[in-house]
Amino acid sequence: GQSLEQPSEVTAVEGAIVQINCTYQTSGFYGLSWYQQHDGGAPTFLSYNALDGLEETGRFSSFLSRSDSYGYLLLQELQMKDSASYFCAVLSGGYNKLIFGAGTRLAVHP
Amino acid sequence: DTAVSQTPKYLVTQMGNDKSIKCEQNLGHDTMYWYKQDSKKFLKIMFSYNNKELIINETVPNRFSPKSPDKAHLNLHINSLELGDSAVYFCASSQRLAGEYNEQFFGPGTRLTVL
Repeated sequence: GQSLEQPSEVTAVEGAIVQINCTYQTSGFYGLSWYQQHDGGAPTFLSYNALDGLEETGRFSSFLSRSDSYGYLLLQELQMKDSASYFCAVLSGGYNKLIFGAGTRLAVHP
Repeated sequence: DTAVSQTPKYLVTQMGNDKSIKCEQNLGHDTMYWYKQDSKKFLKIMFSYNNKELIINETVPNRFSPKSPDKAHLNLHINSLELGDSAVYFCASSQRLAGEYNEQFFGPGTRLTVL
């Protein structure tokens, strides 16, 4: 079977740092991607990790450990606009096929 | 300019009806997808087309039939709508199929409500 586990909800205050974890068990694995979705909006791409290690893009970083089947998204200097759902997704198979986790709802408070 | 567009944005219909959702991308991408997002926000791939050829066909009832008239368009036709079909349907596209991972660009979604 294929499964991705991530926390359902995370709460943080403006300016803080938050880490959203994702563990996965899939039949095929090429990499781990993260998408952001605001309420009523479309998912938008944040990052992709194919190799172990940390990838940094501005305030957001993403980490992957293939041996642990684990990754995380790190959001720094949180802003109110970061309140959204964050989905990890495994690239599984050779057709750019994404298997999504259930999403983590992040609420940022003043 | 909208990169990936879908019509309609909202669709309310009765059980048993047939409906279609249209998707267009102006990014010049080769690959297009249909996803279903249910009320718990679980996002699941349904179909994928690469240059008008069906390449991913997940376990989806055969009441759902995708059609790609050209690589910029991917439509979804649903026959005999059921209550469980109520969801948000997202179209997405990506640049190419093979090689490095390709970011997927999502359309704004079509909220389908079956009464």
